[in-house]
Amino acid sequence: EAGVAQSPRYKIIEKRQSVAFWCNPISGHATLYWYQQILGQGPKLLIQFQNNGVVDDSQLPKDRFSAERLKGVDSTLKIQPAKLEDSAVYLCASSLGGQGIYGYTFGSGTRLTVV
Amino acid sequence: GNSVTQMEGPVTLSEEAFLTINCTYTATGYPSLFWYVQYPGEGLQLLLKATKADDKGSNKGFEATYRKETTSFHLEKGSVQVSDSAVYFCAAEYGNKLVFGAGTILRVKS
Repeated sequence: EAGVAQSPRYKIIEKRQSVAFWCNPISGHATLYWYQQILGQGPKLLIQFQNNGVVDDSQLPKDRFSAERLKGVDSTLKIQPAKLEDSAVYLCASSLGGQGIYGYTFGSGTRLTVV
Repeated sequence: GNSVTQMEGPVTLSEEAFLTINCTYTATGYPSLFWYVQYPGEGLQLLLKATKADDKGSNKGFEATYRKETTSFHLEKGSVQVSDSAVYFCAAEYGNKLVFGAGTILRVKS
């Protein structure tokens, strides 16, 4: 089974520029997550989708971050404008369902550096 | 809110030493508990999990037992290898989403 695909792998941008990340989850996984992992910290949930609907975006900085999951498959996460503190690894994960039964599969992440 | 707390690192051990990495979680309901490992330059990989009290998860010589009375899920391994050097994350599932600890760096010297 193919894993969770993310691109690009690395991105360097200047502050105030915009950037977009792409995620393709495991086929058939209804739930998709975006996490932000700042260096030296654990991943923090930004947004959770169930099919193409948002379940939880309470920790998404909506003034600059946006995400969508059209057709309930691929997802994009956008930052506009970027700040220095947005430098982090952005992880995408997918799951068949919750309650620990099916588990979560993570992509390799996109490492963003804002200079 | 819900949170997971792990011991700070880095933890530095000699090969074949015994490993314990402590993890505690907030007791909101009975979350499923996980340990993930992140090797240098790689993504998060599930190491083991436990879904109810007294369950023991195990994989690759690592073990962790779900202790409801102490709200803990400590990771242990009897004899570490250099190849175990990585960052270990404890996580709890609340409401169909994972909450992670800050991670513990493990360095094993030969």
